[in-house]
Amino acid sequence: DAGVIQSPRHEVTEMGQEVTLRCKPISGHNSLFWYRQTMMRGLELLIYFNNNVPIDDSGMPEDRFSAKMPNASFSTLKIQPSEPRDSAVYFCASSLGQGVAPLHFGNGTRLTVT
Amino acid sequence: SQQGEEDPQALSIQEGENATMNCSYKTSINNLQWYRQNSGRGLVHLILIRSNEREKHSGRLRVTLDTSKKSSSLLITASRAADTASYFCATAPLDSSYKLIFGSGTRLLVRP
Repeated sequence: DAGVIQSPRHEVTEMGQEVTLRCKPISGHNSLFWYRQTMMRGLELLIYFNNNVPIDDSGMPEDRFSAKMPNASFSTLKIQPSEPRDSAVYFCASSLGQGVAPLHFGNGTRLTVT
Repeated sequence: SQQGEEDPQALSIQEGENATMNCSYKTSINNLQWYRQNSGRGLVHLILIRSNEREKHSGRLRVTLDTSKKSSSLLITASRAADTASYFCATAPLDSSYKLIFGSGTRLLVRP
């Protein structure tokens, strides 16, 4: 199993630009999560999908952030327009089931907004 | 605010020694999980303990859970240099068990 695959690994962009982060979950997993990690705030849950449907997006910081899961094998997190305070490592994770199953994380996308 | 808080924030030990990390949390939980993160990598699941369990073992790992004190500990026995990483506890609240909430982590350094 290839694990959760995220792309790109690193993204450097200028303030105001659109950024799209991509995630391929583990085949067969029906739950997908986007987390953000910063030194100041630690790991924060942004959005949770179950069976491709967004269940909880209460962690999405602003309307500038949006996430989609058009099918069971692909999800995107978009930031438009990006701001320097969005700089962080963004992780995608997938699991089988809800809550009681361990999360499998990708290696993250390190986003730097200048 | 974060649900779980780890203690200590950083720990440095000699190879072969045991490492103990503690986690405290605030609300009732369905389960508590421990994860490990190597620098520049994603988190890796280590062990899950349910709210009705008090202790669990996995290889050199031993986890305890005290729901009355809302605390957990992770013990790594006979540590190795390869155990150097950050360790996070994560709690699944009773009312929203999918919503794993991570603590701030303990940075463990195992000196060869």
